[in-house]
Amino acid sequence: GAVVSQHPSWVICKSGTSVKIECRSLDFQATTMFWYRQFPKQSLMLMATSNEGSKATYEQGVEKDKFLINHASLTLSTLTVTSAHPEDSSFYICSARHLMNTEAFFGQGTRLTVV
Amino acid sequence: DAKTTQPPSMDCAEGRAANLPCNHSTISGNEYVYWYRQIHSQGPQYIIHGLKNNETNEMASLIITEDRKSSTLILPHATLRDTAVYYCIVRVITGSGNTGKLIFGQGTTLQVKP
Repeated sequence: GAVVSQHPSWVICKSGTSVKIECRSLDFQATTMFWYRQFPKQSLMLMATSNEGSKATYEQGVEKDKFLINHASLTLSTLTVTSAHPEDSSFYICSARHLMNTEAFFGQGTRLTVV
Repeated sequence: DAKTTQPPSMDCAEGRAANLPCNHSTISGNEYVYWYRQIHSQGPQYIIHGLKNNETNEMASLIITEDRKSSTLILPHATLRDTAVYYCIVRVITGSGNTGKLIFGQGTTLQVKP
């Protein structure tokens, strides 16, 4: 299957700072990317959908000013957690899909810990 | 909300077939059934998908009932490395664009035992 890479795999940051997570599609052009969050022992929760060159569409209850998503190219999307707090500590996962393909491929996830 | 129902957990003996059921009684005619799995602390891995015909690939087989209200994922010879959470997802097509977002339910935790 296609390869989606996230960076970093894990990050620890201080409360109040911002953290950027990158998601890259390595061998295909991702017209659509998705960002998920997963708390321990829970399922993945969709945060937002982004199409290349367009503003992201956020799911209900997700603060767009806190979770900034940029999808400026067909191979890169970034999620910036602004003014992070301990409750933002979670496993963040991106997914990418090409317009012509029906399946989406996932990155390996980023473990964010806010202290 | 997720549109599928799966048992929360299942056990399977190593080397035997693992049959994971999924109910999706409200599926629409243009929605696919997708299966993904997530091994602990990793991103989900695509397994297989189908619309109405049975599908098979190198990982698994997908059996979809004729009325499409349920399906079964079959791992023909389960190994210890198949221990994971398996998600059955009905693909949502929203708006004028085909965003194809995947909404995850709680999945089935499959434990393959020696």
